[in-house]
Amino acid sequence: DAEITQSPRHKITETGRQVTLACHQTWNHNNMFWYRQDLGHGLRLIHYSYGVQDTNKGEVSDGYSVSRSNTEDLPLTLESAASSQTSVYFCASSESPGFGYTFGSGTRLTVV
Amino acid sequence: GQQLNQSPQSMFIQEGEDVSMNCTSSSIFNTWLWYKQDPGEGPVLLIALYKAGELTSNGRLTAQFGITRKDSFLNISASIPSDVGIYFCAGIPLVSRGGSNYKLTFGKGTLLTVNP
Repeated sequence: DAEITQSPRHKITETGRQVTLACHQTWNHNNMFWYRQDLGHGLRLIHYSYGVQDTNKGEVSDGYSVSRSNTEDLPLTLESAASSQTSVYFCASSESPGFGYTFGSGTRLTVV
Repeated sequence: GQQLNQSPQSMFIQEGEDVSMNCTSSSIFNTWLWYKQDPGEGPVLLIALYKAGELTSNGRLTAQFGITRKDSFLNISASIPSDVGIYFCAGIPLVSRGGSNYKLTFGKGTLLTVNP
């Protein structure tokens, strides 16, 4: 069965370190998205991609970057982790937004 | 940009009660979606709505696409403990001619707690 997987599920890192969160989907979806979820803020869009070599900034992109070298993967990199980036991160993919997004199970990141 | 106002923010109910929540916007939406997020997991799509006035059911869940295209409602009948979670509305806003929009707009969610 097709799926979307995120790794790791939990990570603790130190302030200032570079961190990469992985997202891999086997749906062959062109559209992929990264969100962070914080209490009181719901889901906030970080970056998104409509296809290979395409990346776009979302509403909270500062301090984050993504790259899309193939259809399956959209890794999210925190260039220099800050305590404000402690959050739960969700990756999602979509064939068409009308069909909704398929979400991964999330990565809980703690920056100490 | 378009925003979705979802209410209530949280609900605490007794098992067996019916639940209603809604999502409103100042903008017109083409599509409304309702998601549920179980604790520790990602959101999962429950219901999708594509036409104004459309009423769709999924088991004990019923959702409606508002006539004005600016709102949507989700009802859960006879709640059970496994209904606990966060419910999100999401929508695709109407874009101008020549524009494109492949992004969903999400509400902030309704946290539902069911007391057995």
